[in-house]
Amino acid sequence: GAGVSQSPSNKVTEKGKDVELRCDPISGHTALYWYRQSLGQGLEFLIYFQGNSAPDKSGLPSDRFSAERTGGSVSTLTIQRTQQEDSAVYLCASSLGTSGTGELFFGEGSRLTVL
Amino acid sequence: GESVGLHLPTLSVQEGDNSIINCAYSNSASDYFIWYKQESGKGPQFIIDIRSNMDKRQGQRVTVLLNKTVKHLSLQIAATQPGDSAVYFCAEIDNYGQNFVFGPGTRLSVLP
Repeated sequence: GAGVSQSPSNKVTEKGKDVELRCDPISGHTALYWYRQSLGQGLEFLIYFQGNSAPDKSGLPSDRFSAERTGGSVSTLTIQRTQQEDSAVYLCASSLGTSGTGELFFGEGSRLTVL
Repeated sequence: GESVGLHLPTLSVQEGDNSIINCAYSNSASDYFIWYKQESGKGPQFIIDIRSNMDKRQGQRVTVLLNKTVKHLSLQIAATQPGDSAVYFCAEIDNYGQNFVFGPGTRLSVLP
């Protein structure tokens, strides 16, 4: 399809393990966002990529979290040494990135459960 | 500052009634606002947007109102239907960046 694709849709891991979550944005979208959504709560901004500019990492909760975007397209969010409080749905979104506009198109999310 | 919080209020309405969902924002520099709908197990989906040079915008069965004086945004849904049951988020973006800040969300429950 032409939407934002995220994988895996569900991930169960043990405390202390590393996980990688993948986001494939809509083709041609220059802006890519990662958000975290804990159960029954709002969207917490994590990181934002815009073209070739340095990413806005201001929302990353700790240095265990990192993200990269290769070739201006696919992005990977990595969580090292996972903790139980990392359990949440991780949502990726992309947009055309034109200044002053920009409907966000969201993926279905990756649900992470840390045991 | 950000208007994101951790509390998720709930609004229950009877099917066929009108719904009004409110959102407060804190950044007076924000000039673009969007309402999103999130159904269970899915990502948020765009409903309607509004720019700061407008105070009202209408879509199909939905109207967004913007009051810049008190930094308040509302979403009105006419003739609410069971399919409208979801969590609704407002989001703001300022003119100096691309970062969207989401409100805490409101859960809308439509009663038969």
